[in-house]
Amino acid sequence: QKEVEQDPGPLSVPEGAIVSLNCTYSNSAFQYFMWYRQYSRKGPELLMYTYSSGNKEDGRFTAQVDKSSKYISLFIRDSQPSDSATYLCAMTRTDKLIFGTGTRLQVFP
Amino acid sequence: DVKVTQSSRYLVKRTGEKVFLECVQDMDHENMFWYRQDPGLGLRLIYFSYDVKMKEKGDIPEGYSVSREKKERFSLILESASTNQTSMYLCASSWDLNYGYTFGSGTRLTVV
Repeated sequence: QKEVEQDPGPLSVPEGAIVSLNCTYSNSAFQYFMWYRQYSRKGPELLMYTYSSGNKEDGRFTAQVDKSSKYISLFIRDSQPSDSATYLCAMTRTDKLIFGTGTRLQVFP
Repeated sequence: DVKVTQSSRYLVKRTGEKVFLECVQDMDHENMFWYRQDPGLGLRLIYFSYDVKMKEKGDIPEGYSVSREKKERFSLILESASTNQTSMYLCASSWDLNYGYTFGSGTRLTVV
């Protein structure tokens, strides 16, 4: 069993929709939780990071962590075609980051 | 703006060649990483380094080695390239793991 599970998609939504991206994890020792966005043929870029359970908001993006359920989410409000990318969750374990495999999102006009 | 620069965007090499992938960061980060990324498998850690001249094996080090002679530069070496090493290679650096990594744009390597 992988330490971090993420549905690969693809997820296809119309412009303006609310998008929900999710990851589950098995190791309760994970401490920090992050979301990266990766455009085609580019490296991942950090979108958000959070430590505690609860919500963290940044513009149209909200990161949610539920440590009791070992479940994290990224919500994108008013999605735009420019949000079309692969989204990777990641979490820290003592000496390194563990990544999900990524969910490909397509927002069509 | 912080930067991690990978020397090549695309490379084509022949089986058996020795291949060098270079990565330079301008952020004075101590931690540097090499990953490969393949469809369905995600990011897999090859090697990492927490300091100059220091290296640690990641999850898939076989067939690779690294060099870190200067703080800003971390090189990945494919000793004898094979077709199963065709992949996207990503370098990253970090000052604190808990606040994430900064990635380079990647090198798409094809071994023929």
